[in-house]
Amino acid sequence: DAGITQSPRHKVTETGTPVTLRCHQTENHRYMYWYRQDPGHGLRLIHYSYGVKDTDKGEVSDGYSVSRSKTEDFLLTLESATSSQTSVYFCAISESRVTAYEQYFGPGTRLTVT
Amino acid sequence: GNSVTQMEGPVTLSEEAFLTINCTYTATGYPSLFWYVQYPGEGLQLLLKATKADDKGSNKGFEATYRKETTSFHLEKGSVQVSDSAVYFCALSQGGSEKLVFGKGTKLTVNP
Repeated sequence: DAGITQSPRHKVTETGTPVTLRCHQTENHRYMYWYRQDPGHGLRLIHYSYGVKDTDKGEVSDGYSVSRSKTEDFLLTLESATSSQTSVYFCAISESRVTAYEQYFGPGTRLTVT
Repeated sequence: GNSVTQMEGPVTLSEEAFLTINCTYTATGYPSLFWYVQYPGEGLQLLLKATKADDKGSNKGFEATYRKETTSFHLEKGSVQVSDSAVYFCALSQGGSEKLVFGKGTKLTVNP
């Protein structure tokens, strides 16, 4: 199994509070991704990173920011959480074009915004 | 743009039945194709992949063949088990893009 951990695994927070989710990898892969998974929507890309300090937006980036100061860590921040951000969040990593960018996923973080 | 279409679920089968989950794609050029599986309460796991036309990916008794002429990558298994109950996602990566495009997933339930 790819060495990917996410923390916390579960979190309940109140509307308007800031929340940071952490993804940590031990594989030294270049690319890291944040997705959210919701019933009826499948997986949707929030942000991704193609190197330290290099990030780009996905299809549902509004209300989210990311940072990557080290190869192994990719942080997702909800500046002011809303109930619509209640979801399961997955981090993923991939190595390069050589592996066709196949992605490996973490175990997920279940976030509930009340 | 690139897209992946999977058959609507849920799919319910009896143990030892034959499984087919259809996946078709829209993409320019020659994408790489993937099947991922997600067991309850877990993240997605790569099940198999194919990177060029006519390639067959296989793993754990599952197979899928990259058909360029029909733009398809259908997942098959000859005899399913209760432990195969999960959600299955088809995905593609387009050359030059480091992002995957996922289908919406198909939930499979296998009853004893």
